[in-house]
Amino acid sequence: AQTVTQSQPEMSVQEAETVTLSCTYDTSESNYYLFWYKQPPSRQMILVIRQEAYKQQNATENRFSVNFQKAAKSFSLKISDSQLGDTAMYFCAFMKQGNAGKSTFGDGTTLTVKP
Amino acid sequence: DSGVTQTPKHLITATGQRVTLRCSPRSGDLSVYWYQQSLDQGLQFLIQYYNGEERAKGNILERFSAQQFPDLHSELNLSSLELGDSALYFCASSAPPGQGLDEQFFGPGTRLTVL
Repeated sequence: AQTVTQSQPEMSVQEAETVTLSCTYDTSESNYYLFWYKQPPSRQMILVIRQEAYKQQNATENRFSVNFQKAAKSFSLKISDSQLGDTAMYFCAFMKQGNAGKSTFGDGTTLTVKP
Repeated sequence: DSGVTQTPKHLITATGQRVTLRCSPRSGDLSVYWYQQSLDQGLQFLIQYYNGEERAKGNILERFSAQQFPDLHSELNLSSLELGDSALYFCASSAPPGQGLDEQFFGPGTRLTVL
């Protein structure tokens, strides 16, 4: 079974600054995906970024980038130039490659961007 | 908009009652997943259906059941409700294997309040 751990229940950052959210996972699988989801106060689950485990290059989406360390089973999210709209809960998730099976989620990190 | 719809948005009921939550997946998706999110926690996987058949089961209570119909919509039935069942229930869908990214698309959720 897979486990996903987010060790930072809450974080805050000043607007325009950079913040990094941590995630570690445990699995015996070789092929899998990792995701970061954003959940704003509306509670909608919004995909922020995805990483295929077979890719060595770290994924980037505009101001969002990841640091994927496969050997260390670490998958952190960096948010650059933080904006007030980034205030949300962020979840790290793991999914086995293949038939798009269930995702395993961490407990989340609540991020507050301060003006 | 993910293309996944869930009804109702909100549901308030009393302990001991039974409710049905409905989900329509994105057009073309065959898999439907149900997740439960209790207050400020991560998403817990309940059950997955693929083209009408149960594919995987998580920590779903015996009081809960689900099914996927020939038109691929799914229903989650919760019975003998308890206060602790109050949560946000998400449905997600994904494309058939090999027909798109291995990714789950989440609906807006149904907020269940048990009084």
